Amino acid sequence: AQSVTQPDIHITVSEGASLELRCNYSYGATPYLFWYVQSPGQGLQLLLKYFSGDTLVQGIKGFEAEFKRSQSSFNLRKPSVHWSDAAEYFCAVGSSNTGKLIFGQGTTLQVKP
Amino acid sequence: SAVISQKPSRDICQRGTSLTIQCQVDSQVTMMFWYRQQPGQSLTLIATANQGSEATYESGFVIDKFPISRPNLTFSTLTVSNMSPEDSSIYLCSVEDLDRGAGELFFGEGSRLTVL
Repeated sequence: AQSVTQPDIHITVSEGASLELRCNYSYGATPYLFWYVQSPGQGLQLLLKYFSGDTLVQGIKGFEAEFKRSQSSFNLRKPSVHWSDAAEYFCAVGSSNTGKLIFGQGTTLQVKP
Repeated sequence: SAVISQKPSRDICQRGTSLTIQCQVDSQVTMMFWYRQQPGQSLTLIATANQGSEATYESGFVIDKFPISRPNLTFSTLTVSNMSPEDSSIYLCSVEDLDRGAGELFFGEGSRLTVL
């Protein structure tokens, strides 16, 4: 079955600290992987995506993610978190054929001053 | 990237009524997608709307409950019929921007429905 698992429902980090949000997927075809962010009261914004090539991808707002096929993971990282990064983060997987995505449950990030 | 506008942004509805959500895109797109985000939950695809054909519904969603129209390449509507409190959700319209790469979706800001 196709699925996305975000093991951490809620994470709290101090401002300036590093961040890693975990994402594991199960997908039959070659996966296209995405991280989206949803700020309170707003729609989803794409942070980054992986289609092929270099397994370390850079995104907006200083985020990066690494695709590890052997671990079926696509973890999101940021070296220094800002208070404005507090939001809900969703990992998603899809394919090139349909454009529809399967989303994880989301991880809520809280940033302490 | 595509700019997506949804109306209404939020509404409070009575049980048993129906509400139609509109989605307008600033460019022509082949496929539009409707997602539901229940409170505290992730996003679940309701259906895919192609212009000129019937929408394709995902498992657990039916046309009688969520009729969809797609009259042209820039517009779609989703109706939530005979609403119950379980339909209280954010409903999001999304499109695939093929110029940015297949599979990448852009989302509207969503329509937050509360059913009393």
